[in-house]
Amino acid sequence: DAKTTQPPSMDCAEGRAANLPCNHSTISGNEYVYWYRQIHSQGPQYIIHGLKNNETNEMASLIITEDRKSSTLILPHATLRDTAVYYCIVRVGNQFYFGTGTSLTVIP
Amino acid sequence: NAGVTQTPKFQVLKTGQSMTLQCAQDMNHNSMYWYRQDPGMGLRLIYYSASEGTTDKGEVPNGYNVSRLNKREFSLRLESAAPSQTSVYFCASSESVAPQETQYFGPGTRLLVL
Repeated sequence: DAKTTQPPSMDCAEGRAANLPCNHSTISGNEYVYWYRQIHSQGPQYIIHGLKNNETNEMASLIITEDRKSSTLILPHATLRDTAVYYCIVRVGNQFYFGTGTSLTVIP
Repeated sequence: NAGVTQTPKFQVLKTGQSMTLQCAQDMNHNSMYWYRQDPGMGLRLIYYSASEGTTDKGEVPNGYNVSRLNKREFSLRLESAAPSQTSVYFCASSESVAPQETQYFGPGTRLLVL
């Protein structure tokens, strides 16, 4: 049972904002949304996480809808090094449930 | 600070052979995890250890055993490897299993079972 749904691929022009959507319509009230990325099959790298409120850190912003059924990861100024697979993850208890991710390609 | 380290980086086994994947973290984290990643898919949890001395099954535990050797080390053992266990294995650690705690991942072990 997939807990998150993401588009399989997206392109973004270098220097522009990359907006990566995620649907998690079955999320429960106490389950966090996490975003990780994976570059060239390396270990996943943490980006950001949130529960209800929008969050921002040095890497990205996370916008969670009021009903919590979807979220958007925003990379404000995409660079070539942001080319990676981005995973939207719902944490249920002690488990991260990874989907199949979005392959983001940043184009020069 | 090396973070999470895994050995070996790559291994080829024959069906029926056994091996142990090693994981260590130097962040003084209490919780550790083992995941597998099959081609084109996200990671799936095999086993985790919430704290030293405890282990619990994840989503796909069949065919694996784990040992939390001490606070730093968490090993994954394949007693009788099968081709279906060909995958990339990632170890992770976190301060605790609390839902707001971030998991930090190692570089992975690529396992091929012939």
